[in-house]
Amino acid sequence: EAGVAQSPRYKIIEKRQSVAFWCNPISGHATLYWYQQILGQGPKLLIQFQNNGVVDDSQLPKDRFSAERLKGVDSTLKIQPAKLEDSAVYLCASSSFPGLAGEQFFGPGTRLTVL
Amino acid sequence: GNSVTQMEGPVTLSEEAFLTINCTYTATGYPSLFWYVQYPGEGLQLLLKATKADDKGSNKGFEATYRKETTSFHLEKGSVQVSDSAVYFCALINAGGTSYGKLTFGQGTILTVHP
Repeated sequence: EAGVAQSPRYKIIEKRQSVAFWCNPISGHATLYWYQQILGQGPKLLIQFQNNGVVDDSQLPKDRFSAERLKGVDSTLKIQPAKLEDSAVYLCASSSFPGLAGEQFFGPGTRLTVL
Repeated sequence: GNSVTQMEGPVTLSEEAFLTINCTYTATGYPSLFWYVQYPGEGLQLLLKATKADDKGSNKGFEATYRKETTSFHLEKGSVQVSDSAVYFCALINAGGTSYGKLTFGQGTILTVHP
């Protein structure tokens, strides 16, 4: 079974530029998560989708971050414009269903550096 | 709100030494508890979990017991190997309120095992 795919693996941009990350979850997984992992910290949830609907985006900085999952499969996360403090690893995870019993499977992440 | 606190790292051990990584949590209700591991260059992987008080999760020689009275979920291994070198994250999911399905992570503990 293929795992969660993410691209690109690395991205370096200047502040105020825009950037987009792509995630392809495990086939059949209805729930998709985007986490932000700042160096030295644990991952923090940015947004959670159930199929193509948003379940939780309370921690997403909506003035600059946006995410979509139009067909309930792939997802993109965009930052526009980027700030220095956005430098982090962006992790995508998926699970067959949300909640306590649905194990989340993580992709390798995209490491973003904002200069 | 929910929070997870891990012992400060990094932790450096010799091969075959005993490992303990402390984890305590704050949450309302009855969360499920997890340990995730991140090997160099790879994504987060679920190591073990426990879903109710006094449950013991175990995998690959690692164990952790869900202690509700002390709100703890300490990770232990009797004899570590060089291949156990990684970052270990304690995490919880609390099904209550608006945090359904959301993993709350500790800050991570870097483990380095020398031959």
